[in-house]
Amino acid sequence: NAGVTQTPKFRVLKTGQSMTLLCAQDMNHEYMYWYRQDPGMGLRLIHYSVGEGTTAKGEVPDGYNVSRLKKQNFLLGLESAAPSQTSVYFCASSPLAGTNEQFFGPGTRLTVL
Amino acid sequence: AQSVSQHNHHVILSEAASLELGCNYSYGGTVNLFWYVQYPGQHLQLLLKYFSGDPLVKGIKGFEAEFIKSKFSFNLRKPSVQWSDTAEYFCAVRTDTGRRALTFGSGTRLQVQP
Repeated sequence: NAGVTQTPKFRVLKTGQSMTLLCAQDMNHEYMYWYRQDPGMGLRLIHYSVGEGTTAKGEVPDGYNVSRLKKQNFLLGLESAAPSQTSVYFCASSPLAGTNEQFFGPGTRLTVL
Repeated sequence: AQSVSQHNHHVILSEAASLELGCNYSYGGTVNLFWYVQYPGQHLQLLLKYFSGDPLVKGIKGFEAEFIKSKFSFNLRKPSVQWSDTAEYFCAVRTDTGRRALTFGSGTRLQVQP
């Protein structure tokens, strides 16, 4: 199993450009999450999904949109990138039953100039 | 809303020294508690977790943590650190609100000197 994968690994954008980050998991997990990691602030939840076709806002959702059209994929979109969105983005997934251990992807380092 | 505080932002130790990293959370209901580790350039990995039962939990690589409900704390310990423990450590909490997402602390950067 590949676990949780993220594409791309690195990206540089100019202010105002748009992009989509892709997260894929092959563990048949119901729950998926997008976090951003900034120095000294830990990980903060952007959006999450409790199942295919559902999404919900986390702590810092402004400027981002998400979609979960397929159970295994969770897309994070930036419609008009801003320098404040420079960060490392982590995707995670967790199963419906049992403990809520979250499995993390390798991260995407995004720089907005 | 719940919050997680990690009091030590940067800890420097020599090899074989003992480690204790503090973690406090603010939530009065049922919690699940986690410690994750992030080695340089890598993604987060689970060190250990507490759900119920024995408040002293043991994780991978010789780490353990103790849940003290009265103090809202879940401190991470290791009797003797190694250079390979150099990493950033995150405490996280999940509450019984149904969202199932984790709230993370700001992290503690541990540097172990040989």
